[in-house]
Amino acid sequence: AQSVTQLGSHVSVSEGALVLLRCNYSSSVPPYLFWYVQYPNQGLQLLLKYTSAATLVKGINGFEAEFKKSETSFHLTKPSAHMSDAAEYFCAVRSQGNLIFGKGTKLSVKP
Amino acid sequence: GAVVSQHPSRVICKSGTSVKIECRSLDFQATTMFWYRQFPKKSLMLMATSNEGSKATYEQGVEKDKFLINHASLTLSTLTVTSAHPEDSSFYICSARENRGGQPQHFGDGTRLSIL
Repeated sequence: AQSVTQLGSHVSVSEGALVLLRCNYSSSVPPYLFWYVQYPNQGLQLLLKYTSAATLVKGINGFEAEFKKSETSFHLTKPSAHMSDAAEYFCAVRSQGNLIFGKGTKLSVKP
Repeated sequence: GAVVSQHPSRVICKSGTSVKIECRSLDFQATTMFWYRQFPKKSLMLMATSNEGSKATYEQGVEKDKFLINHASLTLSTLTVTSAHPEDSSFYICSARENRGGQPQHFGDGTRLSIL
């Protein structure tokens, strides 16, 4: 069965600092992987997706993620955090047509 | 980009009321739509997968008579919470995926349901 694990339920960074949100996956087949962001009381917005093309995927709002098969990881990064990046982030893997979500990581950005 | 519209965004009603939530794909056709429930500070729990023109597939533990799903067209799915009780209060989110292969799911903005 496919699954994702997000390490760290809460990450806090200073404005301008590097953002690193960790995601490891488990899959018996080449996975489709996604990162979504959720702002309070809103649905999920797609940040980026990996679908077996380039291993470094660039998304919206300056985020990117690198697929590393050897480490079964798909960590999300952003070079410089903005206050507006404060939100909940979910990593997900597609399994049998459905999305399996990680438990989410809440990102806080300090001024 | 692909847009999913979910309505209403917030509902407050009395116990015993039935509540209908609509999910529309505005600029694409979605053979498959998904309904999720999200508890406070928790991840999304898939409730059911809705396929246009056929019965929905419910996840284990989700009462199909309690959560009625209808997917009458390629752009509309509805979730009806029947005879709602306070324990049904939650954040419900719908999602739709374009028919083309490899496309991501796009999410609505969610419905905050509060049962008094």
